[in-house]
Amino acid sequence: DGGITQSPKYLFRKEGQNVTLSCEQNLNHDAMYWYRQDPGQGLRLIYYSQIVNDFQKGDIAEGYSVSREKKESFPLTVTSAQKNPTAFYLCASSTTSPTGANEQYFGPGTRLTVT
Amino acid sequence: AQKVTQAQTEISVVEKEDVTLDCVYETRDTTYYLFWYKQPPSGELVFLIRRNSFDEQNEISGRYSWNFQKSTSSFNFTITASQVVDSAVYFCACLGFGNEKLTFGTGTRLTIIP
Repeated sequence: DGGITQSPKYLFRKEGQNVTLSCEQNLNHDAMYWYRQDPGQGLRLIYYSQIVNDFQKGDIAEGYSVSREKKESFPLTVTSAQKNPTAFYLCASSTTSPTGANEQYFGPGTRLTVT
Repeated sequence: AQKVTQAQTEISVVEKEDVTLDCVYETRDTTYYLFWYKQPPSGELVFLIRRNSFDEQNEISGRYSWNFQKSTSSFNFTITASQVVDSAVYFCACLGFGNEKLTFGTGTRLTIIP
């Protein structure tokens, strides 16, 4: 079955530690995205990548880093510089086309708690 | 830049009632795309529909229907004969032509009471 996997489902870390969230897709999509969701809020874009070895900052990139070494993988590192890292993190992917009409498909999410 | 407003934060209806979720968007693009996603308690967002700005035809899919009106910049979503499985948070989103970033509304939490 094609889809997006994120692991783990729940993640707990101590303040000051970096943590990496995994995102893998087997949909053969070129584009991948990371969003953050806080209670009662919509999704905010952290980083996105349209092609391997290239990525761009989204609206709230501070305190986060990404890499895109393979088409299938787009890991997100939450660094100690992120002031409020506790949140629900969603990864998504989509095809890319000149029309831009590309719906995004989402993974199950990782709930990160930092204490 | 786009902006999406979902004024209804939470809605509760009794099972089998019809319910409409409102979505109002703002964009400067003449060509754009509108989306609805469903987020059940499990957390994963499920794609429901995409609508192009040049196609104002309403769409029906089973108990779901969507009403797109450019004159009022709205893209409302109606669930007919609601069921408990419809309980979720629903997000409306907008993407401008050539843009790479999808803009989401803040979501509407729908609770269907059995």
